Amino acid sequence: AQSVAQPEDQVNVAEGNPLTVKCTYSVSGNPYLFWYVQYPNRGLQFLLKYITGDNLVKGSYGFEAEFNKSQTSFHLKKPSALVSDSALYFCAVREALAGNNRLAFGKGNQVVVIP
Amino acid sequence: EADIYQTPRYLVIGTGKKITLECSQTMGHDKMYWYQQDPGMELHLIHYSYGVNSTEKGDLSSESTVSRIRTEHFPLTLESARPSHTSQYLCASTGGGRGEQYFGPGTRLTVT
Repeated sequence: AQSVAQPEDQVNVAEGNPLTVKCTYSVSGNPYLFWYVQYPNRGLQFLLKYITGDNLVKGSYGFEAEFNKSQTSFHLKKPSALVSDSALYFCAVREALAGNNRLAFGKGNQVVVIP
Repeated sequence: EADIYQTPRYLVIGTGKKITLECSQTMGHDKMYWYQQDPGMELHLIHYSYGVNSTEKGDLSSESTVSRIRTEHFPLTLESARPSHTSQYLCASTGGGRGEQYFGPGTRLTVT
C-alpha cells in the first residue's frame, strides 16, 4: 500500500520569507513523488516530480523539492514566497513499478502568504 | 496547460435527476481517473480506466458509473442525484510510465 502524510493543515508565511511544505510517504518499493498546487475552483496543477537521479528537483514557479530516502520525505520549498503562492498544495506518491499509475494523495496543505 | 477538459464547470440540479459529467483529453493518454473532492479537502479516487473498455472502481465507494468507449472520452454518470453527491469532481489522465497525471478544471456539482 502507498500513502502520504502532510502533517500540517495550514502553513502561514510572510511574503519574501522561505516557504516549506512537508511531506512524508510510504511505499513498498521505489517511489515516484509529485507535488501539485490547487487554486480555488480549479483543478490540480503539476509543480514537479521526483523519479530518479538528483535528490533536489526544481519545478515550476521557483519551487523545488528534496527527496530524502532515509527519512522518506519529499518537502516542497521556495526561497522567497509570494502572495500569489497562497493555495492548496498536495503531495502524491506511487510505487515505481505499479502499472496502473494510481497516485496516493496527501490531505493537502493550505499555504497562506501574508503580505 | 494540460489538454484535458471537463463540462459543465458548474451544475446545480434537483434530487433524482440523471446527470453525466463529461471529461475528454486530446493527449492520447490511455489511463484516466475520476476523483471526488470536497472544497479544500483531500482527493478520493472513485473510478479509473486503463484504456478502452476498461474501468475499475477506486478507493472511495461511489454510486456513479463510468464508461470508456473511446480513448479520449471518460464520462461519469449519476442515475439519480442526491444532496450527498454535492462535491467537486476532478478528471485526470496520464500516458503512464514516469508521467504525472494531468487534471481537468473540475465540475462543481450541487444537488438541491
